[in-house]
Amino acid sequence: DTAVSQTPKYLVTQMGNDKSIKCEQNLGHDTMYWYKQDSKKFLKIMFSYNNKELIINETVPNRFSPKSPDKAHLNLHINSLELGDSAVYFCASSRSSGGLYNEQFFGPGTRLTVL
Amino acid sequence: AQSVSQHNHHVILSEAASLELGCNYSYGGTVNLFWYVQYPGQHLQLLLKYFSGDPLVKGIKGFEAEFIKSKFSFNLRKPSVQWSDTAEYFCAVSRSGGGADGLTFGKGTHLIIQP
Repeated sequence: DTAVSQTPKYLVTQMGNDKSIKCEQNLGHDTMYWYKQDSKKFLKIMFSYNNKELIINETVPNRFSPKSPDKAHLNLHINSLELGDSAVYFCASSRSSGGLYNEQFFGPGTRLTVL
Repeated sequence: AQSVSQHNHHVILSEAASLELGCNYSYGGTVNLFWYVQYPGQHLQLLLKYFSGDPLVKGIKGFEAEFIKSKFSFNLRKPSVQWSDTAEYFCAVSRSGGGADGLTFGKGTHLIIQP
C-alpha cells in the first residue's frame, strides 16, 4: 500500500503551458504539503493545507495554486510554466491534530522539466 | 522563523568508518527535529526524529542522533557505515506545537561511501 502517491512521476512540457500534479495520501492525515527541490537538492516548502484551508504560502508565485478537493488529496496547478520551475516537487502529509506531532511522510516526487 | 545549517555538504568515507554529520538550527522556541535520507532517485525517508524526552534518539539502519539544546545541535551519527548508506541526508526542524507548519530543511549533505 502506497502511503503518499503522486502522478505523474515525470512531466516534460514547454514554457507557457499549464500543468497539474496530483497527490493522494491514504494515511488519514489532515494536513498535506508541497515542497520544491531545486537542482542543488535544496528543499523548500511551498504550501500546506489543513482541513482544506491554506496555512502557508512561502513567497510562491501566484502561478502556482494548490487545490484540495478533500483531505486525502492536494493537487498542484501551475500556470504559464517557466524554465525556473524545473525541479522535483514532493507532496507530503502529516497528522497535526493538537499540534503535537507533525512527522511528515513524503511521496515519491514529480520531476518537472520545462523546455 | 527557523533556519537549519548543515556544515558538511559533501562527505566521502570508506566502508566501516564512523560517521557524524553536523546540524545546527536557529529558533527561539521549542522545536521538533528530524533527519531524512534520500537515496539516489528516491523520495525522502525518515531516519529518526526528536520531539521530547531522551535527547539521544535511535533511528533506522543503525543511525542515531543527539539533541544538545545548549548548542542548538542535532548531529547524526553511525558507528560503521556501509556502501548502501550512500545518499543525501537532510536535517529538518519544525516548530513544536506548530500544527500544520512545514519543515525547514538544511541544504543537505551528500554522503558517498567507497567500498
